Amino acid sequence: GENVEQHPSTLSVQEGDSAVIKCTYSDSASNYFPWYKQELGKRPQLIIDIRSNVGEKKDQRIAVTLNKTAKHFSLHITETQPEDSAVYFCAASYGQNFVFGPGTRLSVLP
Amino acid sequence: GAVVSQHPSRVICKSGTSVKIECRSLDFQATTMFWYRQFPKKSLMLMATSNEGSKATYEQGVEKDKFLINHASLTLSTLTVTSAHPEDSSFYICSASDPLQGNNQPQHFGDGTRLSIL
Repeated sequence: GENVEQHPSTLSVQEGDSAVIKCTYSDSASNYFPWYKQELGKRPQLIIDIRSNVGEKKDQRIAVTLNKTAKHFSLHITETQPEDSAVYFCAASYGQNFVFGPGTRLSVLP
Repeated sequence: GAVVSQHPSRVICKSGTSVKIECRSLDFQATTMFWYRQFPKKSLMLMATSNEGSKATYEQGVEKDKFLINHASLTLSTLTVTSAHPEDSSFYICSASDPLQGNNQPQHFGDGTRLSIL
């Protein structure tokens, strides 16, 4: 079955700096890769996603890149703000089967 | 669109009590819903896949007699934690996606239920 790894597990950055979170997956059949942000005690919320037919997608300060050959994808957050502090989960999906990474706790220091 | 509602948000009860959690798709029909359990500072662990009109599919290691799932309509799935014990205390969260949007669509999560068994 699919296995998703995510690094780093924790990440601290200064406000205004960039943050990068990386994920790898094992199943080449996976073709959809969403990223979720979860604040403490709240639901995971979709922040960006990418499908296997594109290599990069950007939405304001957030971007995701996908390398299908290497089976890895990354989340990039630029100009980080304190409200970006949360746990971020990547996921790899085929059909309705989702496998989530272990999460990255991002702390943006003012 | 694609709103998922989950109730209750918080439950505190005595050991031995059975607790029912509801997950509703508000603006779409969900033939499939997913139930997750999340321990503190951990990722989402899939417990089972809830299928409308048929039996749920449980992940390895999840007791189906302990965690009863019913998906009687296209907009409602319920998870019942039977005879709950302190080790069942956790954050339970459901999700669903709109099948009319096709494949490769995000899962939309409910608000989650924090269950505390005394």
